[in-house]
Amino acid sequence: EVQLVQSGAEVKKPGESLKISCKGSGYSFTNYWIGWVRQMPGKGLEWMGIIYPGDSDTRYRPSFQGQVTISADKSISTAYLQWSSLKASDTAMYYCARGYGLIEYWGQGTLVTVSS
Amino acid sequence: QSVLTQPPSVSAAPGQKVTISCSGSSSNIGNNYVSWYQQLPGTAPKLLIYNNDKRPSGIPDRFSGSKSGTSAALGITGLQTGDEADYYCGTWDSSLSGVVFGGGTKLTVL
Repeated sequence: EVQLVQSGAEVKKPGESLKISCKGSGYSFTNYWIGWVRQMPGKGLEWMGIIYPGDSDTRYRPSFQGQVTISADKSISTAYLQWSSLKASDTAMYYCARGYGLIEYWGQGTLVTVSS
Repeated sequence: QSVLTQPPSVSAAPGQKVTISCSGSSSNIGNNYVSWYQQLPGTAPKLLIYNNDKRPSGIPDRFSGSKSGTSAALGITGLQTGDEADYYCGTWDSSLSGVVFGGGTKLTVL
């Protein structure tokens, strides 16, 4: 059974850094693209970017380029989404999602709250 | 402002049928497969339809998808209260080089 299990909820202050994770199991982690999707409170889904763990090829939606970093550690089948300096506007639920165009599987979500 | 356009809400009575539309352009729906996702309250999205009209294993045939030109549609028949959710269309956009979604449609089963 394919599973994507994300790290727990985070509460941070503006300016702080953060790295959330998504561990894949039940499939060959290096052979499938895995990406991140943002859902701000009460809003729709926004695709942020994607990585191919096999060779770390990474693509970003232009609006997220430079704002976040997507990475993966194939030795532990885990993908990451990282911020160097959080803003209040980063408050959202973040989902990891397996697939390049078609998203077949979703993680359970990680709620990130940024507040002073 | 979402790249794909969906109605914000639809509603129908139990047992009835509803159709949710999704409109795009040649850079997305017009030249790529469309998927549909169901997001039940407080949960992660789930794949409902892929490649325009295919259902993953376990999805009942009450759910169907179609595509014509730069538009797609999700049909749900025999509505149940458990179908109340937000529904999103999604596809690849060749101009953005990324996945784009509709703004989501909230289904209410009256």
